[in-house]
Amino acid sequence: GQQLNQSPQSMFIQEGEDVSMNCTSSSIFNTWLWYKQEPGEGPVLLIALYKAGELTSNGRLTAQFGITRKDSFLNISASIPSDVGIYFCAGQYYGGSQGNLIFGKGTKLSVKP
Amino acid sequence: EAQVTQNPRYLITVTGKKLTVTCSQNMNHEYMSWYRQDPGLGLRQIYYSMNVEVTDKGDVPEGYKVSRKEKRNFPLILESPSPNQTSLYFCASSLTGYSYEQYFGPGTRLTVT
Repeated sequence: GQQLNQSPQSMFIQEGEDVSMNCTSSSIFNTWLWYKQEPGEGPVLLIALYKAGELTSNGRLTAQFGITRKDSFLNISASIPSDVGIYFCAGQYYGGSQGNLIFGKGTKLSVKP
Repeated sequence: EAQVTQNPRYLITVTGKKLTVTCSQNMNHEYMSWYRQDPGLGLRQIYYSMNVEVTDKGDVPEGYKVSRKEKRNFPLILESPSPNQTSLYFCASSLTGYSYEQYFGPGTRLTVT
């Protein structure tokens, strides 16, 4: 099946640093989404991207839908301890069934105060 | 409060004993979906439902059944659970299958011995 390659797998950063993570695929995607999951909870949607080239911000978070439609990245600026969690990219690939979402394996973020 | 609820939250069972995990949403969402989350594998879609009486297989449907007789409920059925179905399960819903702003439930941790 379709796969999303998400990197890095984990990050250990100092509070205040900027963070960047990305997701790539060999297939074209129609939609890219970024979720955050905190321990013991379900994922929460952070940003949704629907057009190639789209750049969207949500507070200190910025995500972009790659021009080739095969990748997306998420940046977090000036990280704080509450940014800790697992970040997942997800998407619906071109030619896939409507409603069928593919998730990356996640980037685990740790922030040292 | 708008939410997705799952029951039970934790379940330990034995191989072959049929079980049902319930999922309910109070947001009048058309779309509902089940995922399993395993370490290192991220979230994988099991089944999804675009609307009442309409269900489709996700990426890992083997060994699972679902039904969507009412808009608010989407139970996940394991007719004959096996140890490889030990996992963390999430139910999610969104307004429609064309909107990817999915709300996730709190998760059900299932152990099959």
